[in-house]
Amino acid sequence: DAGITQSPRHKVTETGTPVTLRCHQTENHRYMYWYRQDPGHGLRLIHYSYGVKDTDKGEVSDGYSVSRSKTEDFLLTLESATSSQTSVYFCAITGGTEETQYFGPGTRLLVL
Amino acid sequence: DQQVKQNSPSLSVQEGRISILNCDYTNSMFDYFLWYKKYPAEGPTFLISISSIKDKNEDGRFTVFLNKSAKHLSLHIVPSQPGDSAVYFCAASRTSGTYKYIFGTGTRLKVLA
Repeated sequence: DAGITQSPRHKVTETGTPVTLRCHQTENHRYMYWYRQDPGHGLRLIHYSYGVKDTDKGEVSDGYSVSRSKTEDFLLTLESATSSQTSVYFCAITGGTEETQYFGPGTRLLVL
Repeated sequence: DQQVKQNSPSLSVQEGRISILNCDYTNSMFDYFLWYKKYPAEGPTFLISISSIKDKNEDGRFTVFLNKSAKHLSLHIVPSQPGDSAVYFCAASRTSGTYKYIFGTGTRLKVLA
């Protein structure tokens, strides 16, 4: 298994509060990604990073920001959580000589 | 506009028979494709990939076929086992360096014992 951990694994929060999700990898891979998974939508890319301090938007980036100050950590922040951001969030990494993405175990977020 | 489509939300197959999961894409620039399996409460697990320079790739019980002219790929599982019951996602990318994948909406496979 690729060395990817996500924290927290579960979180319940209230509308309007800030939330930060953490993805940590031990593979020293360059590329890291945040996805959300919702019924009927599959996995949708929120943001991705192609190096330390290098990030770009995905297809559903509104309401989310990211930061990557170290190769191993990629943070996803919901500045002011809304109920539409209730979802399961997955982190993924890609790197080395392969183009395959490996996923973390996911964070289940409930915004009340 | 959904660039990667899995038109069958679910599929049931008898144990020992072949499972065929389908995926269609619209962007002719996609040149690398992946299949993932996902169990509940777990992250997706990589199964098999195929590059556009090939039309078939095998790994054990799993074979992926790519028809570039039809913009269609399929995953064959032979023989199907109850442990294969999961949601399967296909994903497509242009290998331009950022490895950004577009995922389908998934097909739930149920293998009946």
